[in-house]
Amino acid sequence: AQSVTQPDIHITVSEGASLELRCNYSYGATPYLFWYVQSPGQGLQLLLKYFSGDTLVQGIKGFEAEFKRSQSSFNLRKPSVHWSDAAEYFCAVGYNQGGKLIFGQGTELSVKP
Amino acid sequence: GAGVSQSPRYKVTKRGQDVTLRCDPISSHATLYWYQQALGQGPEFLTYFNYEAQPDKSGLPSDRFSAERPEGSISTLTIQRTEQRDSAMYRCASSLDASGTQYFGPGTRLTVL
Repeated sequence: AQSVTQPDIHITVSEGASLELRCNYSYGATPYLFWYVQSPGQGLQLLLKYFSGDTLVQGIKGFEAEFKRSQSSFNLRKPSVHWSDAAEYFCAVGYNQGGKLIFGQGTELSVKP
Repeated sequence: GAGVSQSPRYKVTKRGQDVTLRCDPISSHATLYWYQQALGQGPEFLTYFNYEAQPDKSGLPSDRFSAERPEGSISTLTIQRTEQRDSAMYRCASSLDASGTQYFGPGTRLTVL
């Protein structure tokens, strides 16, 4: 069965430090991969997506993610975290470019001054 | 509309009552999804529509749950005879078509007492 694992439930980083959020997936075919961010009281906002091509994808707010097929991973990175990045981050996999998404359980990011 | 809207934003009900949640998708979007998100978890797929057709309702947890989209725009999710385990955030998303990126609404927080 398809699944998405986000091993870290909660991460705390200092403002200005680099960030990496981990995501591993289990899927039989070529996956379509997404990262969403959820701020309190807000809906899920798409940060970036991977369908095909270049395995390093750029997203909004200075985020990027790298697809590594050999490791079944799609980790999210940001070189310098801002206090406004504090939120919950969800990795998701899709069957095609659309269709239902399977989400990980999320990683909550806290940013300390 | 400019984005996906959902109403009500919060709903408290007593066990055994029926509730209906509403989703108003982005006006040009043909495809609409419903997800259920329990506390501390990622969203889980319930069902989706292409216009008024409902090709997949495999995620609906029981026959107490039903959804409709009679005119291919606004959708409702109805839960009959609510139970405490139905307490969750219910999220709606829409996409241009079944292969498009999903845009999420703010969600409806349902609490069953």
